[in-house]
Amino acid sequence: DGGITQSPKYLFRKEGQNVTLSCEQNLNHDAMYWYRQDPGQGLRLIYYSQIVNDFQKGDIAEGYSVSREKKESFPLTVTSAQKNPTAFYLCASSIRGSIYNEQFFGPGTRLTVL
Amino acid sequence: AQSVTQPDIHITVSEGASLELRCNYSYGATPYLFWYVQSPGQGLQLLLKYFSGDTLVQGIKGFEAEFKRSQSSFNLRKPSVHWSDAAEYFCAVSPGEDKIIFGKGTRLHILP
Repeated sequence: DGGITQSPKYLFRKEGQNVTLSCEQNLNHDAMYWYRQDPGQGLRLIYYSQIVNDFQKGDIAEGYSVSREKKESFPLTVTSAQKNPTAFYLCASSIRGSIYNEQFFGPGTRLTVL
Repeated sequence: AQSVTQPDIHITVSEGASLELRCNYSYGATPYLFWYVQSPGQGLQLLLKYFSGDTLVQGIKGFEAEFKRSQSSFNLRKPSVHWSDAAEYFCAVSPGEDKIIFGKGTRLHILP
């Protein structure tokens, strides 16, 4: 079955540590996205990538980094520079250049800073 | 700038009652509009989408939405809710450029 997987489902981090969240898709989509979700805030775009080896900052990129070395994978690193990293993180993908831009979502990773 | 407003943070309805969730958008051109649903601790699932044509669109799980250009609205409706409909609902608009702008969500509670 085609879809998006995110791992791990729950992640705990000590302050000052970097942590990487995994996102893999087998939908053959070119575009991939990372969102952060906080209660009452909706989804806020962190980074997105429309093609391998290229990515753009979203609305809240500070303290985060990404890479896109393969079409299927778009890992997100939460660095120690992110002041309030505890949140639910969602990865999504879509067909690039589609005027509809229907996005498909993974199950999410909940990150907690201890 | 494009934006999406969901005026209701929480909505409570009784099981079997009808439902309407409100969504207003701000966008200059013809919008591409979506409703997504999220169960607790899960990702988002697409309920329905509007691109053009018939302003009443049907989605999954018995949901429908009506696009009203004059009111800049895209309200989600269901004639009779089930306990399993309890979730958070997000309205979204695509301004192009491979992006989607989401509203802040409406959490739906169902009374038995």
